[in-house]
Amino acid sequence: NAGVTQTPKFRILKIGQSMTLQCTQDMNHNYMYWYRQDPGMGLKLIYYSVGAGITDKGEVPNGYNVSRSTTEDFPLRLELAAPSQTSVYFCASSYAGAQDNEKLFFGSGTQLSVL
Amino acid sequence: TQLLEQSPQFLSIQEGENLTVYCNSSSVFSSLQWYRQEPGEGPVLLVTVVTGGEVKKLKRLTFQFGDARKDSSLHITAAQPGDTGLYLCAGDNFGNEKLTFGTGTRLTIIP
Repeated sequence: NAGVTQTPKFRILKIGQSMTLQCTQDMNHNYMYWYRQDPGMGLKLIYYSVGAGITDKGEVPNGYNVSRSTTEDFPLRLELAAPSQTSVYFCASSYAGAQDNEKLFFGSGTQLSVL
Repeated sequence: TQLLEQSPQFLSIQEGENLTVYCNSSSVFSSLQWYRQEPGEGPVLLVTVVTGGEVKKLKRLTFQFGDARKDSSLHITAAQPGDTGLYLCAGDNFGNEKLTFGTGTRLTIIP
């Protein structure tokens, strides 16, 4: 199993450009999450999904969109990139939710710079 | 929003020393997880504690969940360079589908 795979690993965007961060998992997990991690900080939840066709906002959803058309894929879309979106983005998945003490499996991250 | 504060934010010690890092909140959590993150990688789960007062050991790492379920600590005995990384605590707030992550402690062990 590859686990959670994120692409690309690095990307530089100009202000106002758009892009999609890809995330796929091969563990048949129901729950998927997108986090951002600013330098020296913990993780902040952007969006999450409890299953295909269902998405919900996290702490910091503004400026982002997601979709979950399949169990495996959970892409994150930035429509109008802003410097404040410079961060490292992590996708994670779990079989069940936090209430079941499920561990999260993380991808290796996408480092995004908006200049 | 439940806040998890970790202290210290940064810690740099010599190999062989002992250390403790803390994860504190004013909120009660049904469980707490500890993750370690190495540079360029995503966090990896170390342990989950679910019962107030629970103590779990993972080789030289000892994790404790506070009696009131508002805090947790991680104690490392005889630290080694391989322990270097960002340590994150994450809490589940009773039936919430998602975890709240702490602010992190960046640990550096000097050979």
